[in-house]
Amino acid sequence: DVVMTQSPLSLPVTLGQPASITCRSSQSLVFRDGNTYLNWFQQRPGQSPRRLIYKVSNRDSGVPDRFSGSGSGTDFTLKISSVEAEDVGVYYCMEGKNWPPITFGQGTRLEIK
Amino acid sequence: EVQLLESGGGLVQPGGSLRLSCAASGFTFSGYTMSWVRQAPGKGLEWVSTITVSGARTYYADSVKGRFTISRDDSKSTLYLQMNSLRAEDTALYYCAKVVVTIREGFDYWGQGTLVTVSS
Repeated sequence: DVVMTQSPLSLPVTLGQPASITCRSSQSLVFRDGNTYLNWFQQRPGQSPRRLIYKVSNRDSGVPDRFSGSGSGTDFTLKISSVEAEDVGVYYCMEGKNWPPITFGQGTRLEIK
Repeated sequence: EVQLLESGGGLVQPGGSLRLSCAASGFTFSGYTMSWVRQAPGKGLEWVSTITVSGARTYYADSVKGRFTISRDDSKSTLYLQMNSLRAEDTALYYCAKVVVTIREGFDYWGQGTLVTVSS
């Protein structure tokens, strides 16, 4: 199975500063249909996960534009341009190219310094 | 408004069984693939099982294959997970999740979860 590796696992950030999370896959996530199936989820404390980004860089409806996704092949990044208090939580990447199964990264915990 | 309401969790002894339910509303349940995803206490997300439209196909994580059975009742807009031969490592919060269009793009709605604790 593919292995998804996130870094860092813990990310202390000052309010208003940018944040960046990396997700690396053990194999390319480009599917035969030409799409790259790498998605990002946010899980705020005590809440269920919520999808933020799908297919590398497409923001879900209602997701603030301070969130952006980029990358290709095996290396992907989630960026927050200016961290706000409501961004505290754990962020997971998820790959769908090798379905089944679905594989999540270990998670990155973002906290405010 | 889409709602997914899980139930059926609880404390069970190792080797025991539980049946989880997920009552869906706010969308045409029969038209969507559905999944279960779990989260052990303080740990990350782990995909458990998926069932396609009409129950045509089912998929399981290796960790639960042969022990868990996913099913759906479209007349009741309800998803189920029958869990047998439970182990301590199955202890987790179990989320019901609606697949977007293709599972390759993940899940757009999640329930609040139901907690399963396997312990003697």
